[in-house]
Formats: sequence, structure tokens, C-alpha cells
Amino acid sequence: GENVEQHPSTLSVQEGDSAVIKCTYSDSASNYFPWYKQELGKGPQLIIDIRSNVGEKKDQRIAVTLNKTAKHFSLHITETQPEDSAVYFCAASLMDSSYKLIFGSGTRLLVRP
Amino acid sequence: DVKVTQSSRYLVKRTGEKVFLECVQDMDHENMFWYRQDPGLGLRLIYFSYDVKMKEKGDIPEGYSVSREKKERFSLILESASTNQTSMYLCASSLPPPGHGREYNEQFFGPGTRLTVL
Repeated sequence: GENVEQHPSTLSVQEGDSAVIKCTYSDSASNYFPWYKQELGKGPQLIIDIRSNVGEKKDQRIAVTLNKTAKHFSLHITETQPEDSAVYFCAASLMDSSYKLIFGSGTRLLVRP
Repeated sequence: DVKVTQSSRYLVKRTGEKVFLECVQDMDHENMFWYRQDPGLGLRLIYFSYDVKMKEKGDIPEGYSVSREKKERFSLILESASTNQTSMYLCASSLPPPGHGREYNEQFFGPGTRLTVL
């Protein structure tokens, strides 16, 4: 079955700097890769996703890149702000059965003001 | 906006008790899920349901059961709670996967129930 590894487990950056979180997956058939953000006291919320026919996707300060050959994908947050502080989860699945998301272990991001 | 609510934010139970965790969604979603979240392990799927009275085991179903009698409600049952079931439990809902006329399949999560079993 699919296995998703996520690094680092914690990340501390200065406000305004960039943050990068990396994930690798094991099943080459996976073709859907969402990222979820979990703020304190709340459930995870989808912030961006990418499909395997796309190499990069951007949404304002957030971008995700995918390298299918190497089976890894990354979340990039530029110009970080204190409100970006949260736990971020990557996930992988097959599009046609994407109810079965396999999540990474999570990254706790702290943005220091 | 989709709203997924869970019956309790915090719950303390004793070993051997039967525990019910309730989840309700208000967007007429077909799919509902129960996850547990533990530090360093991410979110692990316990059970999911793609229709009323339908259920499928996830990756860690042992010690749990579920019930879905109505489309909007999905219950997680711990038949005999044990200390290793102390965890954060998250419920989620979604529309059917792509191929059913939707572009993607975002899962909407509730705020979670932190269960402590003593």
C-alpha cells in the first residue's frame, strides 16, 4: 500500500522568510496530492492540491511542486506570516478513489514575528 | 460553507466503557470518514462510509465499529475502550470522488474530539 513520509517534523522560520515542507510517496500509481493546514483547536483544511499531470501549482503565497519520477512533492510558503503557524499535512491517493487519502506525519510550522 | 460538527471536544472515559463519538455534516455529502490523529503518526483512517448503512474498514479498524443510519450522521463506537485508544478523533465528509462529475474530492473536517481513556 501507499506510504507517505513527511519532513521536517518541526520548522521554525522568521516572519517574511520562506518555508518548505517535503513529502515522498511510495506508490507510483498515486496521482492526487493535497496539502492540509490544521490550526490550533481546529480540524485540517485543504489549502492546495496537485494532480500528477501538473508539475507545479501556485495560489498566492503558496505553491506545490511535484516530481513524479522521484516520487516527491513539496509545499512552498513565501513571505511567511504569523498566521501561517500551524500543522501542515501532505497526503497522496488515487484520483478515482481519492476518498482514501494517505497522510504524512505532519509538520509543525512556527513563524516567529 | 460545509459544516462538520462533532458531539464533544473533550471526553474522558474509563477502561472497558463503551464510547460513542458522533459526527454530523450539513452538506449532504455521500462520504464520511473517521480518523485518529497521534503525534508523529499523522492522520490514520479508521473507517469510512460512502453511503447510508455502508461502511468500509480503513487502515486501523481494530477495536472500533461505526454506524451510519442517516446520510448526515456517522458514529464511531469503541466497544470496550482501552488506554491505547487515547487520541484525537477527527471526522470528515466529502462528495464522491472525481468521475462523478466533480473535479476533486476535498475532505471537510470537524474540530476533533480529544478522548482520554483512564
